[in-house]
Amino acid sequence: DSGVTQTPKHLITATGQRVTLRCSPRSGDLSVYWYQQSLDQGLQFLIHYYNGEERAKGNILERFSAQQFPDLHSELNLSSLELGDSALYFCASSSLLGDEQFFGPGTRLTVL
Amino acid sequence: GENVEQHPSTLSVQEGDSAVIKCTYSDSASNYFPWYKQELGKGPQLIIDIRSNVGEKKDQRIAVTLNKTAKHFSLHITETQPEDSAVYFCAASILMGLTDNNNDMRFGAGTRLTVKP
Repeated sequence: DSGVTQTPKHLITATGQRVTLRCSPRSGDLSVYWYQQSLDQGLQFLIHYYNGEERAKGNILERFSAQQFPDLHSELNLSSLELGDSALYFCASSSLLGDEQFFGPGTRLTVL
Repeated sequence: GENVEQHPSTLSVQEGDSAVIKCTYSDSASNYFPWYKQELGKGPQLIIDIRSNVGEKKDQRIAVTLNKTAKHFSLHITETQPEDSAVYFCAASILMGLTDNNNDMRFGAGTRLTVKP
């Protein structure tokens, strides 16, 4: 158990819908990272937040957005969902920028 | 930006043999190179990492080597066991501590390792 929690574990929705994925970092970690892992694909970096502020953006679509709240939990919002958005979404946390990242168990999103 | 390539994509070895996975990176500023193991249905877990001021690091049956000049690093697993079967990811990033505000990790595409008993 990494100490990072993600909810929900599974999410099934339809095209055009909007969903919110939630991540709680390890106690004391200020950084939260979001990654997308499609079937048989590597981990694609989406976005990084540090203590409530956006620090880096990767291959994140404009339909996707994220935020980190004062209690340090983070949410990833995916809107106008398409079939191709079906994937595993992981968040990770670390105590320093870019230091060892601890991954949560992931949320499996299925768009029908 | 950083680009990390990983080979091979699949690797099958006999129990007790060694396994080697190789990665190359493009950004010479990268200074932190972790390796993650992902078992089925779980999130990636860090198994070993190396920083650019070190050429080799070992932890029991696992070792990582780094060649900064050639910009490549490798994972070596000796005396493989069936429980080593998983997908392994290499990654590269720039650690600059709290002064940096543009710091993210780029992952290789992964290697599916199968250890046959």
